Amino acid sequence: GAVVSQHPSRVICKSGTSVKIECRSLDFQATTMFWYRQFPKQSLMLMATSNEGSKATYEQGVEKDKFLINHASLTLSTLTVTSAHPEDSSFYICSASLAGGRISYFGAGTRLSVL
Amino acid sequence: DAKTTQPPSMDCAEGRAANLPCNHSTISGNEYVYWYRQIHSQGPQYIIHGLKNNETNEMASLIITEDRKSSTLILPHATLRDTAVYYCIVRVAGANSKLTFGKGITLSVRP
Repeated sequence: GAVVSQHPSRVICKSGTSVKIECRSLDFQATTMFWYRQFPKQSLMLMATSNEGSKATYEQGVEKDKFLINHASLTLSTLTVTSAHPEDSSFYICSASLAGGRISYFGAGTRLSVL
Repeated sequence: DAKTTQPPSMDCAEGRAANLPCNHSTISGNEYVYWYRQIHSQGPQYIIHGLKNNETNEMASLIITEDRKSSTLILPHATLRDTAVYYCIVRVAGANSKLTFGKGITLSVRP
């Protein structure tokens, strides 16, 4: 199947710093990518829809100024967690769609730990 | 809110078929049924999807009832590596169409 790559797989940072997570579609172009967050023992929660060449669409309750999304090319979307705090510690996962949008593929996820 | 309901958990013996049920009584005519699974600390993995006909691929079979209000994912010969959380999701097809995850069903395959 299609491959979606995330980097880094794990990051530990100090409170107040910013962290950038990359999501790449390796063998296909994706005009739309999605960012999810998953807390321990909970399901995935959609944070935002990343649109190539335009502003991201954020879900209700997600701070757009804290979670900056950039989708500058058809194969790359980035999520920057600004001024991270311990409550931002979570598993962040991206996805992109292939085959006319019928199948979404997910990255392996990025585990963020804020000290 | 998720538009599907699944039992919280089930188990099956290794080598036997695992039948995972899902109810989606409010499904719309243009919505597909998707199944994904998530093995601990990994991103979700696509398994299969269908609109109204039964589907089969190398991983599983998907049986959708004629009224489309429920479906069953069948893993024909479960292995220990199939232990995971399985999510049944309904959504319209399209690159801009998001997946809304419910709580899923935890499948435990026992030796």
